[in-house]
Amino acid sequence: RKEVEQDPGPFNVPEGATVAFNCTYSNSASQSFFWYRQDCRKEPKLLMSVYSSGNEDGRFTAQLNRASQYISLLIRDSKLSDSATYLCVVNTGNAGNMLTFGGGTRLMVKP
Amino acid sequence: DGGITQSPKYLFRKEGQNVTLSCEQNLNHDAMYWYRQDPGQGLRLIYYSQIVNDFQKGDIAEGYSVSREKKESFPLTVTSAQKNPTAFYLCASQRANNSPLHFGNGTRLTVT
Repeated sequence: RKEVEQDPGPFNVPEGATVAFNCTYSNSASQSFFWYRQDCRKEPKLLMSVYSSGNEDGRFTAQLNRASQYISLLIRDSKLSDSATYLCVVNTGNAGNMLTFGGGTRLMVKP
Repeated sequence: DGGITQSPKYLFRKEGQNVTLSCEQNLNHDAMYWYRQDPGQGLRLIYYSQIVNDFQKGDIAEGYSVSREKKESFPLTVTSAQKNPTAFYLCASQRANNSPLHFGNGTRLTVT
């Protein structure tokens, strides 16, 4: 089992739709969690950190479920500009402070 | 503006040549990382450094070397021993344990 797993997609949704992605992790001792957005041929950019109590930033909501070992990202009212690959990142706590990336979920928002 | 700079953006080399990718940051971050990304794939860790003059191998260190002589700089050398060097290389820095990574804009290396 991979340490951090994501459904690669693509998720094809119409503008205005609500879409959710999950990311599962295998190390129960993982300490920190993040969602990044990566546009084609660009570097990943931090979208949001994921806190134990859940957090929201505009149309984006991140949740952490420690019992089931997954994090989620919910995007409401999808925009064309939300089309990108969404990467989850987990500090798996192995051999020092190492952040492990999921393979990414591709989102395509259509008019 | 504080940030992390990678150069060059595009790099072309002939097979058998070593090549060094530059990564400089002025964020005063202790930790720095090198990742490799292949088309349609996730990021894989090559090397990381948590403090000056110290670095550790990541998951795919074979065929690569690094140095960390200064806090601001973490250059990556892709040696001729790396079997498939063509890829997108990303450098990142980190302020503290459990804080997010900040990425440079990447170097796209093509070896023919």
